[in-house]
Amino acid sequence: DAGVTQSPTHLIKTRGQQVTLRCSPKSGHDTVSWYQQALGQGPQFIFQYYEEEERQRGNFPDRFSGHQFPNYSSELNVNALLLGDSALYLCASSLDADTQYFGPGTRLTVL
Amino acid sequence: RKEVEQDPGPFNVPEGATVAFNCTYSNSASQSFFWYRQDCRKEPKLLMSVYSSGNEDGRFTAQLNRASQYISLLIRDSKLSDSATYLCVVNFVMAGGFKTIFGAGTRLFVKA
Repeated sequence: DAGVTQSPTHLIKTRGQQVTLRCSPKSGHDTVSWYQQALGQGPQFIFQYYEEEERQRGNFPDRFSGHQFPNYSSELNVNALLLGDSALYLCASSLDADTQYFGPGTRLTVL
Repeated sequence: RKEVEQDPGPFNVPEGATVAFNCTYSNSASQSFFWYRQDCRKEPKLLMSVYSSGNEDGRFTAQLNRASQYISLLIRDSKLSDSATYLCVVNFVMAGGFKTIFGAGTRLFVKA
C-alpha cells in the first residue's frame, strides 16, 4: 500500500514565477491538507481539500491556490513567488478528520 | 498568544534518561490531539494519538488534560534514535471540516 507521495522532491524558482506541486494521498483517504514549513518552524496550515472543494483555509494569501481531482489527488499552486515562499511544502492525507499521514514534502527554493 | 505552544528546547539528555515535553493549546473547542516526530529534513511521522484517559506505547506515554488545555509526552529510557523534533498537533473540528495546528516543535538530543 503506497503512502502519500509528492512531486517534485526539490524545485528552484525565481521571484515572480509560478509553481505547481502535486500530491497523491494514501489509498482510501479522501482529504488532503497542505502545509508550509519554514526552517526551524512547525508546519503552517495552508488549506484543506475534500470532495474536490477547498473546505478550510489558513492565513495564506490568494497567491496560494489548489485543486483536488476526482481520484483525491491534489495540486498546490503558488503565483508570483516571493523569496519568503522558500520552504518545505508538505501534503497530508486523511480519512476526513482522522489521523493525518504526511508525504515526504517538496523543498522549494525561490531565488 | 499562539494557538499551540511548546517549549522549543533543545533538550540534551543522556541515554537512559526520562524526558517530558509539554504543550498547551488555547482553543477549548479542540477535539483531537497528536504527537508527531520529525527527523531533520524529513516529513513528520505520527508518534501517537493522545486521549483523555492517557495512552502508552512502549517507552512513550501521552497525557491530555482538557481542563488545563495541556498535553504531555513522556519518553522513558531514552535511546540515541529518539533524537528528533517532537511536534504537538491539535485538530479543531469546525463547520465544514477541521483545521490542524502544529506547535513549533521541541528538539531532543540524546547523547551516549
